[in-house]
Amino acid sequence: AQSVAQPEDQVNVAEGNPLTVKCTYSVSGNPYLFWYVQYPNRGLQFLLKYITGDNLVKGSYGFEAEFNKSQTSFHLKKPSALVSDSALYFCAVRDTGGGNKLTFGTGTQLKVEL
Amino acid sequence: DSGVTQTPKHLITATGQRVTLRCSPRSGDLSVYWYQQSLDQGLQFLIQYYNGEERAKGNILERFSAQQFPDLHSELNLSSLELGDSALYFCASSVGGQAGNTIYFGEGSWLTVV
Repeated sequence: AQSVAQPEDQVNVAEGNPLTVKCTYSVSGNPYLFWYVQYPNRGLQFLLKYITGDNLVKGSYGFEAEFNKSQTSFHLKKPSALVSDSALYFCAVRDTGGGNKLTFGTGTQLKVEL
Repeated sequence: DSGVTQTPKHLITATGQRVTLRCSPRSGDLSVYWYQQSLDQGLQFLIQYYNGEERAKGNILERFSAQQFPDLHSELNLSSLELGDSALYFCASSVGGQAGNTIYFGEGSWLTVV
């Protein structure tokens, strides 16, 4: 079965510093990987996805993610964090069990402080 | 705003009751999905429909059922409600039903069972 792991429950970073939210995956076959963000009392917002192609994927709000096949990782990054980036971030992988089902990680709470 | 509309936003009901959650997908999207988000189980995939047909099924309880209507809106019916069914229920949609299609989420329906 496909799975993703987000090893950090919370990440703290100062505004203006680079941020990284970690995700590792386990899949059979080619991975389809996604990042979503959830602000308080809001739905999940799509940030970016990796299907194939360049290992560096650029997404919304200045976020990017680097796909690393040898390390089975798909870390989310941003060069300069903003306080408004504080939210809950989810990594997800396409499940190969048919359809377009996503399996989500447990989420990482990002806190950006002044 | 993702374009996925869910109603109601909040719902409080008693154990043993039945509720219906409603979802309108983004314009042009043929596939709808239902996910459950709870503190203890995280984000769990329930079911996917594509153009009115069930496409994939997750760990959806037998007390729960869903359907997608000819106008592509979807309903999730939850019956014989238990306290543990209290959760945030997301509807999502995508253009197609194939793996890799970006899935866009609504803001969710908060269900509280008392």
